[in-house]
Amino acid sequence: DTAVSQTPKYLVTQMGNDKSIKCEQNLGHDTMYWYKQDSKKFLKIMFSYNNKELIINETVPNRFSPKSPDKAHLNLHINSLELGDSAVYFCASSRTGNTIYFGEGSWLTVV
Amino acid sequence: KQEVTQIPAALSVPEGENLVLNCSFTDSAIYNLQWFRQDPGKGLTSLLLIQSSQREQTSGRLNASLDKSSGRSTLYIAASQPGDSATYLCAGMNNAGNMLTFGGGTRLMVKP
Repeated sequence: DTAVSQTPKYLVTQMGNDKSIKCEQNLGHDTMYWYKQDSKKFLKIMFSYNNKELIINETVPNRFSPKSPDKAHLNLHINSLELGDSAVYFCASSRTGNTIYFGEGSWLTVV
Repeated sequence: KQEVTQIPAALSVPEGENLVLNCSFTDSAIYNLQWFRQDPGKGLTSLLLIQSSQREQTSGRLNASLDKSSGRSTLYIAASQPGDSATYLCAGMNNAGNMLTFGGGTRLMVKP
């Protein structure tokens, strides 16, 4: 069984479009995250949610809006996509302070 | 603000060699230090987690150490194999336990 699953795995879209990436974890964790890995492979946190509440927002443009309908889900919606948004987006989850488990990533290409 | 640096950025070794990957962090107030492996086109796989009160953790051929006072961690890989080829990432977790700050990774290639 996949612990942290995110869809879609690949997404190619035009500038200006709006898109969503979905994430689900079946580990019973209380904290979920979105990380962005840029073209230089550097991983940086975007958002952290604990029990459905936003606790970290690392100066991400407000075109990015996370939503956590319940503790097992954290979706990422992106408005008005720009070329610079092209990256790999990783969802992850953990119990607070413990090992973080990552999904397989969603490859977003904006053309 | 926490900054994590990994040296070297890339490393190529012959099979069978023992090797050490280095990680340094600027803020010693970490909750734990985690090491991950990332294969091309894949997500991250957790390798080892060292709590702030611990000095080292071992799993198979891997041993990770932590020295908070100097802001350093090392990942030791014994008897390297071609299957160990991947990017290795270290990350420090903040004291609240809700955010990991990653280093830039070390890209390891083990040649047969």
